[in-house]
Amino acid sequence: QQQVKQSPQSLIVQKGGISIINCAYENTAFDYFPWYQQFPGKGPALLIAIRPDVSEKKEGRFTISFNKSAKQFSLHIMDSQPGDSATYFCAASNDYKLSFGAGTTVTVRA
Amino acid sequence: KAGVTQTPRYLIKTRGQQVTLSCSPISGHRSVSWYQQTPGQGLQFLFEYFSETQRNKGNFPGRFSGRQFSNSRSEMNVSTLELGDSALYLCASSLSGPMNTEAFFGQGTRLTVV
Repeated sequence: QQQVKQSPQSLIVQKGGISIINCAYENTAFDYFPWYQQFPGKGPALLIAIRPDVSEKKEGRFTISFNKSAKQFSLHIMDSQPGDSATYFCAASNDYKLSFGAGTTVTVRA
Repeated sequence: KAGVTQTPRYLIKTRGQQVTLSCSPISGHRSVSWYQQTPGQGLQFLFEYFSETQRNKGNFPGRFSGRQFSNSRSEMNVSTLELGDSALYLCASSLSGPMNTEAFFGQGTRLTVV
């Protein structure tokens, strides 16, 4: 049973556009929420992370929005570039493990 | 600073055999976690070790086991391989654990069971 639900499964965005990926969770014991980016043939790379006491975190073109009451968090990729084409995973951590969403494949069209 | 190193990168094994995968964490990291990635099930947690102690284990059969050495290097073993064990096995290291410190992944070991 997926503890973290991620949507959409895939999305296509034009260069310069905004990509938005959403995740939802039920387990209130989760205390750390990272996002990972994965290219084919590579391991996931940590992109940005947030803790539940913060509502938003921005690093460069990547922003996490976190809504603790709704148990939802999202990743916004601003000014999307072809190099951003990858699979993105949200995750939530507790009890020494990460629970991952199913992943979103992002394709940025030039 | 060297990243997480997993060996071997690729492995082909026959059903019924056993396999051992190795992970060297980032220098100074004491927590090592293992994950299985498949197209159907996504990324699933196998186990986590810290200072040679297993702190958590995922819902995998007993054929999957692991250990951590005093230098924080870790190995995982799968015995009596089944076709369904074909997957990318990923190792992640962090300073004290993935729940409050950043976890960094290696490139993985691609295991194919034939």
